[in-house]
Amino acid sequence: DIVMTQSPSSLAVSAGETVTINCKSSQSLLSSGNQKNYLAWYQQKPGQSPKLLIYLASTRESGVPDRFIGSGSGTDFTLTISSVQAEDLADYYCQQHYSYPLTFGSGTKLEIK
Amino acid sequence: EVQLVESGGGLVQPGRSMKLSCAASGFTFSNYGMAWVRQAPTKGLEWVATISYDGSSTYYRDSVKGRFTISRDNAKSTLYLQMNSLRSEDTATYYCTRPLGARFAYWGQGTLVTVSS
Repeated sequence: DIVMTQSPSSLAVSAGETVTINCKSSQSLLSSGNQKNYLAWYQQKPGQSPKLLIYLASTRESGVPDRFIGSGSGTDFTLTISSVQAEDLADYYCQQHYSYPLTFGSGTKLEIK
Repeated sequence: EVQLVESGGGLVQPGRSMKLSCAASGFTFSNYGMAWVRQAPTKGLEWVATISYDGSSTYYRDSVKGRFTISRDNAKSTLYLQMNSLRSEDTATYYCTRPLGARFAYWGQGTLVTVSS
């Protein structure tokens, strides 16, 4: 199984700051066939279902604000949220969609000071 | 608009069975694979099972293999999860999802399953 290690587990920032969340996979998520990285990011606001933010490591889902930026390749990935807003209060999860069993990171709780 | 509505959750004793349903609308159900993802209280997300668009292929996480069965009725646009021999560690909110590739693009609101005596 591919193990996804996410860090930090929590962080608190002030509105307007930039946040970086890291995700490391135990094996490469880069497909040699198409050179795409099979890594997704989700946002789960309190009391809500998760929402897909980014897939293939850096492609934003339709309607997701451009302050959410995914990057990385191989085994190391990053979700950057620039100019954090109060509405970004949520848990964030990475997920590999490279192979079964599909696995998630343990999550990062983002708090707004 | 894609809508996924789960039902069938509740309190069940260890060792007993429960069947979850997910009513889908807003898209051609028979064209898409479907999946279940669960989340234990205050914990992270965990993929449970996936079924292909026509039901011919299924995939399970090891901890539910042999106990859970994912199935679908394309005529009714409904996804199911039959859960047998339930354990306390199966306690979770179960989300019905519609994957694109193997990423979870659409989610239902979830149904809570509590396994307790």
